[in-house]
This record gives sequence, C-alpha cells and structure tokens, in this order.
Amino acid sequence: NAGVMQNPRHLVRRRGQEARLRCSPMKGHSHVYWYRQLPEEGLKFMVYLQKENIIDESGMPKERFSAEFPKEGPSILRIQQVVRGDSAAYFCASSLHRGGQETQYFGPGTRLLVL
Amino acid sequence: DQQVKQNSPSLSVQEGRISILNCDYTNSMFDYFLWYKKYPAEGPTFLISISSIKDKNEDGRFTVFLNKSAKHLSLHIVPSQPGDSAVYFCAASADNFNKFYFGSGTKLNVKP
Repeated sequence: NAGVMQNPRHLVRRRGQEARLRCSPMKGHSHVYWYRQLPEEGLKFMVYLQKENIIDESGMPKERFSAEFPKEGPSILRIQQVVRGDSAAYFCASSLHRGGQETQYFGPGTRLLVL
Repeated sequence: DQQVKQNSPSLSVQEGRISILNCDYTNSMFDYFLWYKKYPAEGPTFLISISSIKDKNEDGRFTVFLNKSAKHLSLHIVPSQPGDSAVYFCAASADNFNKFYFGSGTKLNVKP
C-alpha cells in the first residue's frame, strides 16, 4: 500500500535549464495537488489536477510553470528556464475525492536547487 | 495574504508536559481544519482534523480545539514525547475550495 511517490527527491539545475518533477498518487486516488515550500515558510498551493484536467491553477506562476496529470502515468510539474528563486521544496499530495473536507496525503517532496 | 497564521515559530516543552500549538485564520468560509506534522527532509504527515460543526476532536494524545467565533484552533499534545519534536502545520479549507491554506509552521522541541 504505497503512499504518494515523488521523484527525484533532489534535483539540481543551472539557471535556464528545465526541471521536471514527478508525482505518483496513492493507489485509487485521482486528485493531485502541488504545493511549494520556500525556506522558513509554509506550503503554498500551486495547482490541483484530476486525470487529464487542470481544475485550479490559481497558485501557479503565470510563466514558465506548467502541470499535467495524464490518463496514464504520474503527474508532472514542469518548470522551464529555472531561476534561483525557484529553489524550494515541491510537495505533491493526493486525495480520494476533491479538496474541501477530504484529507490530502503528501509525498516526501522534491528539493530543487537552482545554481 | 496569509489566511492561516501560526504566530509562534517555535515552542520548547519538557517531556511529559502538555504542548499547545496555536493557529488563527481569517477566512470565515473555512470549514475544515487539519494539523500536519513534518520531519526534516520528509513530506507533511496528517495528524488530526476537525470539521467546523465540532469544537473538539480527540485522537489518543492529540486533541484539536476549534473556536469559530475567535477563528482560532489549537492542537494539544499530552503527554509530550521527544519523538513529537517536529514542525507542525495547521491547514484550512472550505467545502468549495480545491486546496488547503497552510500556516507557516511551529517547530516543537520536546526535551527529555
């Protein structure tokens, strides 16, 4: 009964490169959420997806960031042309149903470092 | 726009005593509240939740209290154990929201 899986756990990129973060939700969960945690801060919502649909992307920066959750395979958070300010821990969570009064279960996170 | 606030960045408690972690929120639409525990280099782990129709929820050593009129919730851990040392986040959502709003966390240190 695997939990939420994220890979890679650590990712180092140079400025201008692309970062791809993967998230496999818990078995049976079809709702995926991405959060970002900057140093010394709480988690900030980025995007909520269901299979093949973006439901709420109100927390996503307008440029360079995109997310998908295809019918098959993991959810991907993609950051193009990374900058130093993108360095953070990115957490994925999944739930059985949509948000609200449904508990979200978190993965271990991907720590992105932009040099 | 910080809708969920944890004003104490850290708390130190002696083993066996009670730990009380506090959280305030501003959005009256929030109707579901959770506490997560986080160890370094790991993801947050769900601890306990409470719906706005209740004012208290208990699970073993952990109790969450909700005061809707004050827009305040607290997590009580009793007795505190060294293994409880971690960062605790409170989070809130509303039934028609698709996301949780997190506080900035309180780092709890339980001294043996």
